[in-house]
Amino acid sequence: DAKTTQPPSMDCAEGRAANLPCNHSTISGNEYVYWYRQIHSQGPQYIIHGLKNNETNEMASLIITEDRKSSTLILPHATLRDTAVYYCIVRVRDSNYQLIWGAGTKLIIKP
Amino acid sequence: NAGVTQTPKFRILKIGQSMTLQCAQDMNHNYMYWYRQDPGMGLKLIYYSVGAGITDKGEVPNGYNVSRSTTEDFPLRLELAAPSQTSVYFCASEKGTMNTEAFFGQGTRLTVV
Repeated sequence: DAKTTQPPSMDCAEGRAANLPCNHSTISGNEYVYWYRQIHSQGPQYIIHGLKNNETNEMASLIITEDRKSSTLILPHATLRDTAVYYCIVRVRDSNYQLIWGAGTKLIIKP
Repeated sequence: NAGVTQTPKFRILKIGQSMTLQCAQDMNHNYMYWYRQDPGMGLKLIYYSVGAGITDKGEVPNGYNVSRSTTEDFPLRLELAAPSQTSVYFCASEKGTMNTEAFFGQGTRLTVV
C-alpha cells in the first residue's frame, strides 16, 4: 500500500501557484519523497525529490516539513499544460526501494 | 538520445494468445521496471531488474515473465493472455534506487478480448 495520502483532485487558476499537499506520516529517516506527474495517460514524468531539505529545480519546488510527515509540491506559475495527475511517493526501504504508487492528485489548471 | 522506447504502442490480443512487450533504454541504466496501470489507478510493479541476468518479482507478477540478457533490453512476456491483463504497460529505467529519477516509456495499451 502507498505510504502517502493526497487529495483526489484540485483546481488552480492559470498563472497562479499550484500547491499540492502530501501526507507521509510514517516516513523513515532515510526514505526520500518523490514527485512524478502523468499527463493524459502518457508515461510518468519525474518532477523533483528530497530527503530533508527543501528543493527547487526548473519545474517546481518541494517543501518538506521539519518533522518530515508532510510535504508540498509548488508549481510557481501554473499553465494549462500542467494539468495532470501528480503522484507523491515515498521510496520504501523495506520494499527494496521500489516506488509504491497511490492514486495521486488530479490537478486541473483553469484559464 | 531516445531514452526508454516501448513497442508496440497498441495491441489487441485474443484470450489465450501470447505476446512480448519490448522495452529498450539507451542510458546505460542498471535498473529497469515493468508496471501496469489500470484506469484511474496508480502504477503497480510487475517485475524489475537490477542488472543484466538479474530479475525479481514485483507486486503483481502472475501471468507474466521477464528476461534481462543485456543492459539495454527488458522484454515482458505475456503467456495465455486473459481479460484481466487488459491494461496500459509502462517500462522504466533508472541509474540506481535512491536519489535518482526514473525515466518512463510512453506505454503499451493492451486489450485482451
